[in-house]
Amino acid sequence: SQTIHQWPATLVQPVGSPLSLECTVEGTSNPNLYWYRQAAGRGLQLLFYSVGIGQISSEVPQNLSASRPQDRQFILSSKKLLLSDSGFYLCAWSRPSSLSTEAFFGQGTRLTVV
Amino acid sequence: GQQLNQSPQSMFIQEGEDVSMNCTSSSIFNTWLWYKQEPGEGPVLLIALYKAGELTSNGRLTAQFGITRKDSFLNISASIPSDVGIYFCAGQMRGSNYKLTFGKGTLLTVNP
Repeated sequence: SQTIHQWPATLVQPVGSPLSLECTVEGTSNPNLYWYRQAAGRGLQLLFYSVGIGQISSEVPQNLSASRPQDRQFILSSKKLLLSDSGFYLCAWSRPSSLSTEAFFGQGTRLTVV
Repeated sequence: GQQLNQSPQSMFIQEGEDVSMNCTSSSIFNTWLWYKQEPGEGPVLLIALYKAGELTSNGRLTAQFGITRKDSFLNISASIPSDVGIYFCAGQMRGSNYKLTFGKGTLLTVNP
């Protein structure tokens, strides 16, 4: 069976510090991978998605970047965090086919920028 | 960007009552999904719908893919306290590979 791991669960970082959130998927090959942010207003905003190693699509211009160094690894980064980067970050995966968009989410990372 | 209009935003019900929530859009969708999110956790997929008119059940949950392909509803029958959470609809728009559009969620509170 497939599993998705996301860490850390919570993170408090000062403004201007770097960020690295990691997500890994097990039990499948060539998954589509996603990073979402969920603000207090509850909506899920798609930040990045990737359909293969080294392939990153950005949905919203911002202070964040994503990388996919390995097939089942997806990393969300920032060089200098802003207060507005605070939120709940969710990694998700879906099967490697455009016909199947069922997304399966990790447990999330609560990021507080202070 | 495209939006899904999910309603109601919140519901306060008594245990045992039935619940209904829906999502509508001006765009056509190929897929409708319903998720539940509990505090501090990621959303969990409840039901997936792939055909217009499709009606699918998962225990006390029933969801339908609207025949116009622009809406979907989720019903929960005989609610229990553990049904508490935020319910999200999500859809894949026609021509939008790999990406889902999410509604803003319905916060459900069940009073014992």
